[in-house]
Amino acid sequence: DAGITQSPRYKITETGRQVTLMCHQTWSHSYMFWYRQDLGHGLRLIYYSAAADITDKGEVPDGYVVSRSKTENFPLTLESATRSQTSVYFCASSRGQHQETQYFGPGTRLLVL
Amino acid sequence: AQRVTQPEKLLSVFKGAPVELKCNYSYSGSPELFWYVQYSRQRLQLLLRHISRESIKGFTADLNKGETSFHLKKPFAQEEDSAMYYCAPPMAGANNLFFGTGTRLTVIP
Repeated sequence: DAGITQSPRYKITETGRQVTLMCHQTWSHSYMFWYRQDLGHGLRLIYYSAAADITDKGEVPDGYVVSRSKTENFPLTLESATRSQTSVYFCASSRGQHQETQYFGPGTRLLVL
Repeated sequence: AQRVTQPEKLLSVFKGAPVELKCNYSYSGSPELFWYVQYSRQRLQLLLRHISRESIKGFTADLNKGETSFHLKKPFAQEEDSAMYYCAPPMAGANNLFFGTGTRLTVIP
């Protein structure tokens, strides 16, 4: 499980600030994903990446930016944080497409004041 | 539109009782369905996948294409089964999964 890590684990920020959540995996998995977990909505996909320099939008991409310059890293940036982005954010990786098991990080709890 | 429905947000059963967590999906192809579980203070992890047809921790899930369901079942619930369970079919035409809203199972001792 230590193969995929997230940092920070907890973050408090203010409305309008830029925040970057980090995700790092050591398996050389091709696919990486960012989800947010909210009560009543379950897990919703924000962005995903099929390989380095290839990213695509998920279900709720607005207000978020991602990059994947290296296979092992997939940072998620909130360009101007809003209260509605208060959530728990999970990063995941998998070897291949949706038929493959996804491995999840421990999550980052973000509070936007 | 692609949808997955887990109708019960909360489900409580007594220890030793059978448990069934419902999942219905809308997908026109032959889906590869998953159940993921999140125990307290642990990461979300795969519980089982349809294609492997295996039983994990006593849980099984049968794909019913006619009813478009993939319910998770266990004949005798244990306290350690208390967790959040997510059903996840693939997004149609996409390379990722579509998670349901989840069911929080509580097994009462």
